Amino acid sequence: AQRVTQPEKLLSVFKGAPVELKCNYSYSGSPELFWYVQYSRQRLQLLLRHISRESIKGFTADLNKGETSFHLKKPFAQEEDSAMYYCALLFSGGYNKLIFGAGTRLAVHP
Amino acid sequence: KAGVTQTPRYLIKTRGQQVTLSCSPISGHRSVSWYQQTPGQGLQFLFEYFSETQRNKGNFPGRFSGRQFSNSRSEMNVSTLELGDSALYLCASSLGAPGNTIYFGEGSWLTVV
Repeated sequence: AQRVTQPEKLLSVFKGAPVELKCNYSYSGSPELFWYVQYSRQRLQLLLRHISRESIKGFTADLNKGETSFHLKKPFAQEEDSAMYYCALLFSGGYNKLIFGAGTRLAVHP
Repeated sequence: KAGVTQTPRYLIKTRGQQVTLSCSPISGHRSVSWYQQTPGQGLQFLFEYFSETQRNKGNFPGRFSGRQFSNSRSEMNVSTLELGDSALYLCASSLGAPGNTIYFGEGSWLTVV
């Protein structure tokens, strides 16, 4: 079965500290993975997707098929990074369906 | 370019009533999907429409239904509302091909009392 697991409900760090938000997935096909972010009172927005291999707002994520992981990393957290982060797997058997993890709340303290 | 627009943004309904939520996708997008977001269950896929056809439906009871119009606008309907239907309902749109980026609206907050 397709599943996305984000083991941490809350990750609390100080400004300037490194951040790693964990995401593991279960999918029998070739996975396409995303990180979405939801800032307070704002819509869910795409942060990055694994196929683009971009760095957005200093965040990067590498797909590790051996460990079935897609962890989100940032070397130096900023207070404005505080938000809910959702890892999502695209199930695209002829249609587009995102399977979301439970989300991790990142709190960056000054 | 305008984003995904959902109306109404907030509404309160009574148990047993029915509700209709509307979604206008990004111009040119032909796929519209709906998600339910609750504190307990997180984000769950309801259904997806493409060119007026439902391509897939999530694991929700038949009280949840939707449709898409020829201009790609979509509506979802929940009949015989239950307290547990209280949630944020998110609409998302994309061009429709597998792998196209999916963009979300701000959602409709439904409270059932």
